[in-house]
Amino acid sequence: EAQVTQNPRYLITVTGKKLTVTCSQNMNHEYMSWYRQDPGLGLRQIYYSMNVEVTDKGDVPEGYKVSRKEKRNFPLILESPSPNQTSLYFCASSSTGGGITEAFFGQGTRLTVV
Amino acid sequence: AQSVTQLDSQVPVFEEAPVELRCNYSSSVSVYLFWYVQYPNQGLQLLLKYLSGSTLVESINGFEAEFNKSQTSFHLRKPSVHISDTAEYFCAVSSSGSARQLTFGSGTQLTVLP
Repeated sequence: EAQVTQNPRYLITVTGKKLTVTCSQNMNHEYMSWYRQDPGLGLRQIYYSMNVEVTDKGDVPEGYKVSRKEKRNFPLILESPSPNQTSLYFCASSSTGGGITEAFFGQGTRLTVV
Repeated sequence: AQSVTQLDSQVPVFEEAPVELRCNYSSSVSVYLFWYVQYPNQGLQLLLKYLSGSTLVESINGFEAEFNKSQTSFHLRKPSVHISDTAEYFCAVSSSGSARQLTFGSGTQLTVLP
């Protein structure tokens, strides 16, 4: 079954404690992205990757890092989380960029930073 | 730069009534347009998309959207809604030829009442 898997689904952490949210896809997609979803703001892109070792900033990259060492994995790293990073996070993948082909989304990770 | 405006944050409607969810976009170049649906506690799923050709596009579950270039709109319609259509709907735009992925609107919560 084609899917994008995020872990964990729920996470509560304290300010400043480094964390990683994992994302893995089994469709051999080149493009992967991270979004955050906040009420009234929709989804905003954090980072995206066009292929292995190729990443670039989206609209709201501050406070986040990503890496793409393997095609299937695209982890999101928060080196020093702050309460304003409390949000619902989604990973997505697609076979091409520019949204031409369907983007497949993970189930989401609800992060709370206290 | 591109942007998407969804004019209604909440749309309540009775079962079997028609519904229209409005979406306007801005972009200085040609665009691809999408509607995604998010059911409770799930990720986003592609509902329908406009890439080129016929300006009227349809989904398998009875939704349709019409690309109107002069009005820069891509409104989503369904002639008769069901309880199961209750979800949040996101309009998204991607500029053709762009390496970036999707820019989302803020979402419209459709609630179908019995």
